Amino acid sequence: NAGVTQTPKFQVLKTGQSMTLQCAQDMNHNSMYWYRQDPGMGLRLIYYSASEGTTDKGEVPNGYNVSRLNKREFSLRLESAAPSQTSVYFCASSESRDGSFEMNTEAFFGQGTRLTVV
Amino acid sequence: AQSVTQLDSHVSVSEGTPVLLRCNYSSSYSPSLFWYVQHPNKGLQLLLKYTSAATLVKGINGFEAEFKKSETSFHLTKPSAHMSDAAEYFCVVSDPSGYSTLTFGKGTMLLVSP
Repeated sequence: NAGVTQTPKFQVLKTGQSMTLQCAQDMNHNSMYWYRQDPGMGLRLIYYSASEGTTDKGEVPNGYNVSRLNKREFSLRLESAAPSQTSVYFCASSESRDGSFEMNTEAFFGQGTRLTVV
Repeated sequence: AQSVTQLDSHVSVSEGTPVLLRCNYSSSYSPSLFWYVQHPNKGLQLLLKYTSAATLVKGINGFEAEFKKSETSFHLTKPSAHMSDAAEYFCVVSDPSGYSTLTFGKGTMLLVSP
């Protein structure tokens, strides 16, 4: 009963380093999302993928890239980490055919990745 | 475009007293509305959701919320707070208008004292 699994749970990077956050879901959902959470800001959408093979920018995409590797997996890459990217990152998925939240759909979230860039 | 305003960043209650967490939304369409809860160092869990079937929505752990279109509000309530309710709560809106996604409020931290 895994749901949405994110790795790693914690990471410390030096400025300029690169890394990829991994996310996998086992619910056969079409849509997947990456959010970042900062104190007092709620969650802000970085990128999303409405279906396998498509990705779109969200509210705060600068400094990030994504790959929808297959229906299960959606990765987030930081090419050159900056201190402003220190945050908690959440992956989510939903059973949504076009990225919208129709009736009776909801988003399921992973446990988060706490990233610190020094 | 949709937006969500959570009117209180922190709410403090005593155990056994009622809880009220306030949320106002702005949406161009008939929205779907959600409340999520996040316990410390945990992921987000869905408490309840409104999708136009009924204006009073019951969720898990005794929480409920009432959709009031005239007031554009979706306040979360619980008759009697428990210590385990201490967490951060997020009001979330989604417009069913194509490639839309979830828009989160900034969160309300609920503190419960003995």
